[in-house]
Amino acid sequence: GQSLEQPSEVTAVEGAIVQINCTYQTSGFYGLSWYQQHDGGAPTFLSYNALDGLEETGRFSSFLSRSDSYGYLLLQELQMKDSASYFCAVGTGRRALTFGSGTRLQVQP
Amino acid sequence: NAGVTQTPKFQVLKTGQSMTLQCAQDMNHNSMYWYRQDPGMGLRLIYYSASEGTTDKGEVPNGYNVSRLNKREFSLRLESAAPSQTSVYFCASSEGGGTEAFFGQGTRLTVV
Repeated sequence: GQSLEQPSEVTAVEGAIVQINCTYQTSGFYGLSWYQQHDGGAPTFLSYNALDGLEETGRFSSFLSRSDSYGYLLLQELQMKDSASYFCAVGTGRRALTFGSGTRLQVQP
Repeated sequence: NAGVTQTPKFQVLKTGQSMTLQCAQDMNHNSMYWYRQDPGMGLRLIYYSASEGTTDKGEVPNGYNVSRLNKREFSLRLESAAPSQTSVYFCASSEGGGTEAFFGQGTRLTVV
């Protein structure tokens, strides 16, 4: 089956940089993606990596190493509104999309 | 552009009752998914459909059935609701597995 591991909680201060790691075990890998979810809301897409390397989208960057089954989400210049849960997800064989258990990020003033 | 639309947004059922959650997307996506999310937990895949006419079980399919009615619509049915099925249900769609997925607003279901 599929499994993804990410830290359950991370705390950082406004303006700082935080990295959220994700390791995965899966079959038929079709890419690693990241989602943000505010309390009471629906997940929203942040980034997607199909190939090794770094993808940058504004303050957010995502990295993938397929040989290590590892990726991370990097959030720069943290803002209070970045307080949310962040999920990594992998596309797997037969086009399923499996999510990790999520990392709750708390940004403090 | 509506994206992914789920109905209803809220529902209370008695144990043993049945109901169908509706989901429709207008982005011409091939893949559609149903997830449940329990408090403080991640999203667990119930069922998914890689294309019109196909459905596959996910991580937690017991107690649920699905129908991919056409490319736009993917419904989730609870035949005999149980308190353990109290959860928030999300429908999502994407062009293909692993790529950007778009989520509906969620259905908050309580089974008493």
